[in-house]
Amino acid sequence: DSGVTQTPKHLITATGQRVTLRCSPRSGDLSVYWYQQSLDQGLQFLIQYYNGEERAKGNILERFSAQQFPDLHSELNLSSLELGDSALYFCASSVSPTASGANVLTFGAGSRLTVL
Amino acid sequence: AQSVTQLGSHVSVSEGALVLLRCNYSSSVPPYLFWYVQYPNQGLQLLLKYTTGATLVKGINGFEAEFKKSETSFHLTKPSAHMSDAAEYFCAVSRGANNLFFGTGTRLTVIP
Repeated sequence: DSGVTQTPKHLITATGQRVTLRCSPRSGDLSVYWYQQSLDQGLQFLIQYYNGEERAKGNILERFSAQQFPDLHSELNLSSLELGDSALYFCASSVSPTASGANVLTFGAGSRLTVL
Repeated sequence: AQSVTQLGSHVSVSEGALVLLRCNYSSSVPPYLFWYVQYPNQGLQLLLKYTTGATLVKGINGFEAEFKKSETSFHLTKPSAHMSDAAEYFCAVSRGANNLFFGTGTRLTVIP
């Protein structure tokens, strides 16, 4: 158990629908990251939050949005879902928002989204 | 821009043989480099990292990697493969923003 909790583990939905993925970071970590892992795109960085504020944006589609709440958990909202959104979505957390020798990302087990 | 290239999407080795997984990075400044492992149906687990200092880095499960600036490489090795090493391995680079940029991964198969 990495300490990063993601729910749900599996989700099956239809095209056009909207889903919310949830992430609770490891205790003491203030920074949350979302990654998408698909067969054709590999691991892609989506977005990062630090202590409630958006810190960095990667390849996140406009149909996707995220937020980090005061209790530091984060939610990734995916709307108008398409077949191509089927993927494994990982959340990771770290203490600091910036790279340093002591600061590494700890990953959750992921949420597998299947869009039919 | 930062990126990593992993040579070989699939590597097969016999049990007890040397494991060598290749990673080359591209970065305009000295990077932080990482190897993560992903076992089936699990998240990514940190194997080892290079930040500063000693260029030979030892990680968990007997793995190690050497940072070679002149070759812009950070290859992962293990002297003797075990069946439990079968997994997907990702090389990653970060700098500044702490966002990890991953390579495409190398799937390691260990043949009994």
